[in-house]
This record gives sequence, C-alpha cells and structure tokens, in this order.
Amino acid sequence: SQQGEEDPQALSIQEGENATMNCSYKTSINNLQWYRQNSGRGLVHLILIRSNEREKHSGRLRVTLDTSKKSSSLLITASRAADTASYFCAPGRGSNYKLTFGKGTLLTVNP
Amino acid sequence: DSGVTQTPKHLITATGQRVTLRCSPRSGDLSVYWYQQSLDQGLQFLIQYYNGEERAKGNILERFSAQQFPDLHSELNLSSLELGDSALYFCASSGPDPHTEAFFGQGTRLTVV
Repeated sequence: SQQGEEDPQALSIQEGENATMNCSYKTSINNLQWYRQNSGRGLVHLILIRSNEREKHSGRLRVTLDTSKKSSSLLITASRAADTASYFCAPGRGSNYKLTFGKGTLLTVNP
Repeated sequence: DSGVTQTPKHLITATGQRVTLRCSPRSGDLSVYWYQQSLDQGLQFLIQYYNGEERAKGNILERFSAQQFPDLHSELNLSSLELGDSALYFCASSGPDPHTEAFFGQGTRLTVV
C-alpha cells in the first residue's frame, strides 16, 4: 500500500510547545507531502519534500525525510491554538497517481 | 479559498435515492480526485480523473460512479444510497504532474436518512 501511517494518533500539547508527528510508509517514493485538516474542512497542503531532500522548512514547519527508514517527521515549533487540526502525510511514488492518506495525527494545542 | 468549488455544501436524502455531487477544479488543473471521509473509515480515496480520463481507482463502490467533463468539472454520482454512505465527500484538484500539491474543496456533507 502506498499510503502513509501517521503516529501518534493523537497529541495534546500546550501553546508554545513544539509538536512532532511521524509518518511511515512501505514503498520507495519520489516525494512526500504533508497536509492539515481543520475539523470538517478540506485538507490544506503544507509542504512537499522530494526523495533527494533530507530536510525542508516552511515558516514554523520543519519536515525531515529518511528514505532508508521509510519515514518522515513534521515538527511544528512554538505551536498556537490555531494549529489544532489533523495532520496527514501522503507518500508519492512514480506513476502511481493515487493520492492517499492514513488516519492522521490529531493535534490539540491547549491555550 | 482553494479555488476548488463543490456543490452542494449539504445534502439530505433518503435511503435508496440517487444524488450527484459536483466539483469545479482550480483554473488550469487537469486532475480531479474524489474522497469520502467518515468517522470510522477515515479519508478514503475513491477515484482520480485526468483531463477527462480515469487515471486511478480506489475504494469506490459499484453504486458510485464519476466522470470528468470536457470543461474539466467533475461529478460523483451515488446511487441506491444507504445509511452508511453518510459522510463528507471531498474533491481535490492538482496540476498535470503526479504527486504535486493538491487543492481541496470544502466538501459536501451527505446525510442519508
């Protein structure tokens, strides 16, 4: 299966703390994307990291990719209540066009 | 605003009925994806179209069908509806390359009673 599996399933932290969530996958990939979903809303693309990249930053987001371990992590620094959402990863592979998601990590940031 | 428009936003219908969900992709996007999201099944990939042709198929029931029209809008048809079909249905669009950023609509919430 191409879809990633996010871990942990749920994470609760205080505002200002950092949040780290992980994604594992089973096949070789060309890239991996992270998305955020606020409750009941459509997913929003956060960042895409290619297989030849090890780390990528976007604002308070830092994504790492370890292709040898088939895993990625998403770090949100100095979290805010507005970061409360579900986070999904989507590994992308070759000509497999399916854009599939796991069950996500539900992040709750308490004010 | 993602630029992807889904209509209607809400739909309530009875079991056994048929409904059509509509999606207008972002201007210039050729790929359209459909997803079903329910509490117990998570976000399920249903089907993808690219420039009018089916490109990838996921866990789409035989009672469901979709198509993409020449103007690139897409419709998802759900027939013989069951209570279990109640869910959020999302459409997303992206450019021609696979595995690029996808833009999601706000979804259609379907309630089958």
